[in-house]
Amino acid sequence: EADIYQTPRYLVIGTGKKITLECSQTMGHDKMYWYQQDPGMELHLIHYSYGVNSTEKGDLSSESTVSRIRTEHFPLTLESARPSHTSQYLCASSEAGEDTGELFFGEGSRLTVL
Amino acid sequence: KNQVEQSPQSLIILEGKNCTLQCNYTVSPFSNLRWYKQDTGRGPVSLTIMTFSENTKSNGRYTATLDADTKQSSLHITASQLSDSASYICVVSAYSSASKIIFGSGTRLSIRP
Repeated sequence: EADIYQTPRYLVIGTGKKITLECSQTMGHDKMYWYQQDPGMELHLIHYSYGVNSTEKGDLSSESTVSRIRTEHFPLTLESARPSHTSQYLCASSEAGEDTGELFFGEGSRLTVL
Repeated sequence: KNQVEQSPQSLIILEGKNCTLQCNYTVSPFSNLRWYKQDTGRGPVSLTIMTFSENTKSNGRYTATLDADTKQSSLHITASQLSDSASYICVVSAYSSASKIIFGSGTRLSIRP
């Protein structure tokens, strides 16, 4: 089993609240990713990191921000949540330097903004 | 434009039956193709990986094929079980860029007893 963990699994909050979704992995992977997935739809990359102090925006524009202060930790923050942010957020990691690198996913954080 | 298209969108079969899921892609430069299984409410888990030179690969009751010329892949499930009910996602990677991991929208498979 993959050693990548996301908290919280489920979160229901009101509009305007600040939230942070946590993601941690114990595999020592340099590459980490955040994906957004609506029910029955494909995953969209919103952020990725190739290592400490490295973060990039993905294909899907997102109002969220990320940080990578430690290799194992890649939190995602929404400063002011809106109903349009309601979605499932999946964190993943992979080994660096491998073109065939497998993505290891966390269980996901399902966010509902009222 | 890099794209991955899967069919059918959803499929219902009886337990014990076989099924085949399809994936067509236009991703360049091609690195590899993976099939992932995603149980409801969980993160995807890799089933198989296919590189350019590979035509077929098996993982238990799952067999993936790849035709690099026509840019098509299939995932065949033999003797389906109730636990096979999930979404199956085709993911194609281009070389050396995280922004070029292209996900298909998945096939939702339901196994009925």
